[in-house]
Amino acid sequence: GENVEQHPSTLSVQEGDSAVIKCTYSDSASNYFPWYKQELGKRPQLIIDIRSNVGEKKDQRIAVTLNKTAKHFSLHITETQPEDSAVYFCAARLSQFYFGTGTSLTVIP
Amino acid sequence: SAVISQKPSRDICQRGTSLTIQCQVDSQVTMMFWYRQQPGQSLTLIATANQGSEATYESGFVIDKFPISRPNLTFSTLTVSNMSPEDSSIYLCSVVGGNEERAFFGQGTRLTVV
Repeated sequence: GENVEQHPSTLSVQEGDSAVIKCTYSDSASNYFPWYKQELGKRPQLIIDIRSNVGEKKDQRIAVTLNKTAKHFSLHITETQPEDSAVYFCAARLSQFYFGTGTSLTVIP
Repeated sequence: SAVISQKPSRDICQRGTSLTIQCQVDSQVTMMFWYRQQPGQSLTLIATANQGSEATYESGFVIDKFPISRPNLTFSTLTVSNMSPEDSSIYLCSVVGGNEERAFFGQGTRLTVV
């Protein structure tokens, strides 16, 4: 099956700085890569996703890049705000979703 | 995206009893999954709920402990049987819509076994 690794496990940034979270996957057949944000006590919320035929996707302050050759993808958050503080999960999909271990992001005002 | 209603949102149960969690979607979906999430941990897939047939369980999860039903394309249940304190966790259903790749989650069920 697929194995998704995610780094770092915790990340603290100053408000206004950028945050980058990286994931690697093992199965080259994975073709869809979503990112979820989970606030304390709430359900995971899809924030951005990318398909294997696309190298980069951007949505306002959030962007995702995918390197299929190296089998890794990254989440970039620019101009971070305190409300970006949450746990972020990456995932890779074959027939089912395989989740990374999560990154706890803290944005310091 | 589909509207997913999961209930109960939380429960406290006695060991040895069973709890059934329901997941209702407002539109037909192709895939439904059940996950477990321990505090501070990632999402662990329990099984894929298959409409009209037995669920597909992941390694470490068995039907006798986690029976799952999916009678139609909008509804599924997960039962946690013969509970022990180790079953205390958050259980989440997730769905993938008809023409979509995207997965969305129910609000989760926080289970405490005492």
